[in-house]
Amino acid sequence: IAGITQAPTSQILAAGRRMTLRCTQDMRHNAMYWYRQDLGLGLRLIHYSNTAGTTGKGEVPDGYSVSRANTDDFPLTLASAVPSQTSVYFCASSPTSGGSPDTQYFGPGTRLTVL
Amino acid sequence: GQNIDQPTEMTATEGAIVQINCTYQTSGFNGLFWYQQHAGEAPTFLSYNVLDGLEEKGRFSSFLSRSKGYSYLLLKELQMKDSASYLCASMDSNYQLIWGAGTKLIIKP
Repeated sequence: IAGITQAPTSQILAAGRRMTLRCTQDMRHNAMYWYRQDLGLGLRLIHYSNTAGTTGKGEVPDGYSVSRANTDDFPLTLASAVPSQTSVYFCASSPTSGGSPDTQYFGPGTRLTVL
Repeated sequence: GQNIDQPTEMTATEGAIVQINCTYQTSGFNGLFWYQQHAGEAPTFLSYNVLDGLEEKGRFSSFLSRSKGYSYLLLKELQMKDSASYLCASMDSNYQLIWGAGTKLIIKP
């Protein structure tokens, strides 16, 4: 693995189903982020984690949950998917633990369609 | 509130120069980022400015005016591979990025 990987690449999901999007990084970065990207809108932060064991809410956290059990993994769970969660989801990471300006590095994204 | 404004779309000719503008208003300011995003791909980092002035990096340059809440990305000697969306993002007082919707740049031969 080099950088950040996300799985699945794409998924079609029935409304009401539970879904976990996976994100793994091998750069030993402290901070990780989940964004959604919708046409005509900027990237919007869903949840973030400044270091393993801690998480925080972003701009649009409702309907999503995250966990950060270790440095490398940061899964995003949709407990009961709704059509408005149809989007492209990007995971990102940055070296420091927040509290300083730092470049974020992005995974390839997961394209999720909720019907 | 927090707001980032940039044009939705721009068109330029191969070999020419194009300037993509961005105005920002965020709660606190810890720098201005530019990212490039090709269609269907992840954003990739281009530049970071925190002090006023121009930062040059090869064919790409980025400018910041903190007093005006304004930045631009300048692309010189345009190539077809520069066709992409360019995302402007301001880092707020909590070191979170606030993103613009992106400028789609179309390069014509």
